[in-house]
Amino acid sequence: KAGVTQTPRYLIKTRGQQVTLSCSPISGHRSVSWYQQTPGQGLQFLFEYFSETQRNKGNFPGRFSGRQFSNSRSEMNVSTLELGDSALYLCASSLAVTDTQYFGPGTRLTVL
Amino acid sequence: QQPVQSPQAVILREGEDAVINCSSSKALYSVHWYRQKHGEAPVFLMILLKGGEQKGHEKISASFNEKKQQSSLYLTASQLSYSGTYFCGTEKEETSGSRLTFGEGTQLTVNP
Repeated sequence: KAGVTQTPRYLIKTRGQQVTLSCSPISGHRSVSWYQQTPGQGLQFLFEYFSETQRNKGNFPGRFSGRQFSNSRSEMNVSTLELGDSALYLCASSLAVTDTQYFGPGTRLTVL
Repeated sequence: QQPVQSPQAVILREGEDAVINCSSSKALYSVHWYRQKHGEAPVFLMILLKGGEQKGHEKISASFNEKKQQSSLYLTASQLSYSGTYFCGTEKEETSGSRLTFGEGTQLTVNP
């Protein structure tokens, strides 16, 4: 079974721009969660989607948004990028909301 | 609230054992353990659920003390491949809020 895939793997943007990251979950998985990983803050939860509905949201500003499509693929968007948004963005999928999460390889975002 | 992991770092020789602890001040529904190697995504190791159910790799063992809200990961007869950063992710009993809240990680180095 193919794992979680994320595109793109690397991204360089400048301050003020916006970015869209994509995540394709493991086939059959309906829950997708997004996390931000930085050396200073560690792994922090952004949001979780299940059956196209946002189920949970972490403590991030409204510039961070996401959505899930009917095929369970998910996108997250960050608008008005700031230097502090530079991070590894990880997507994780699971069969159900409380099931084991499997992580994708991540998208490394650098904001200049 | 972020779970507390201890120790922060540990260095072993091949074949030695180690224990990594994860404590939370909140009542937990589950504890998830992951290992992350540098530049790679976190890899699922084990999930421990309230009530005693466990799911994970055969060669990894862990415990979950519901009274203390503490989990321990036991690494026995360590191998070079065990090197990496170990994260515990906790899930609260309440249904709302963060999907998984991760500890700061324990860096494990196994030397020949």
